[in-house]
Amino acid sequence: ETGVTQSPTHLIKTRGQQVTLRCSSQSGHNTVSWYQQALGQGPQFIFQYYREEENGRGNFPPRFSGLQFPNYSSELNVNALELDDSALYLCASRMTGDNEQFFGPGTRLTVL
Amino acid sequence: GENVEQHPSTLSVQEGDSAVIKCTYSDSASNYFPWYKQELGKGPQLIIDIRSNVGEKKDQRIAVTLNKTAKHFSLHITETQPEDSAVYFCAAHDSWGKLQFGAGTQVVVTP
Repeated sequence: ETGVTQSPTHLIKTRGQQVTLRCSSQSGHNTVSWYQQALGQGPQFIFQYYREEENGRGNFPPRFSGLQFPNYSSELNVNALELDDSALYLCASRMTGDNEQFFGPGTRLTVL
Repeated sequence: GENVEQHPSTLSVQEGDSAVIKCTYSDSASNYFPWYKQELGKGPQLIIDIRSNVGEKKDQRIAVTLNKTAKHFSLHITETQPEDSAVYFCAAHDSWGKLQFGAGTQVVVTP
């Protein structure tokens, strides 16, 4: 069974740029959630995707957007990057109806 | 929305001693409470969880207790080992289906 994978591992961008992060869910999992984890803090929920649609969103502005594909993989897009967007971005997957969420290793984004 | 508070923020224990981390939550509709362990440079790893219809759950050296009335839950690690050193997060699964995390506890086990 393949776990949750994310790419890239690290990324450096400058303020105002756009970034796309990718996630492959664990085998058999059809629901994907994205979290932002600032240094020294707990993960903060960004949004969740099920059946290729967003079905839950945290307190993040519209410049954070996402996609889910038919194979359940997902992308997180962030436009107009700000310095405060520097964080570890985590993807988690689960089966709808199950509570257990399994996290990937994360993508470390640095905005200069 | 749900708010989860976690204490302490840091915990130093001698190898072999027990460690206890406590969390409180605010949303009485929350029904699932996982604990995650995060090592440096890695994503959170689910180590144990408890559902709202259960008061206690144990898995080898790790146990979790839940008091729904008081809205608090705790993680207990017995016979701590150096490999238990990590950041531990509690979380509550709210009525919208998202996880709300605590701020984390840095556990350091000294030999």
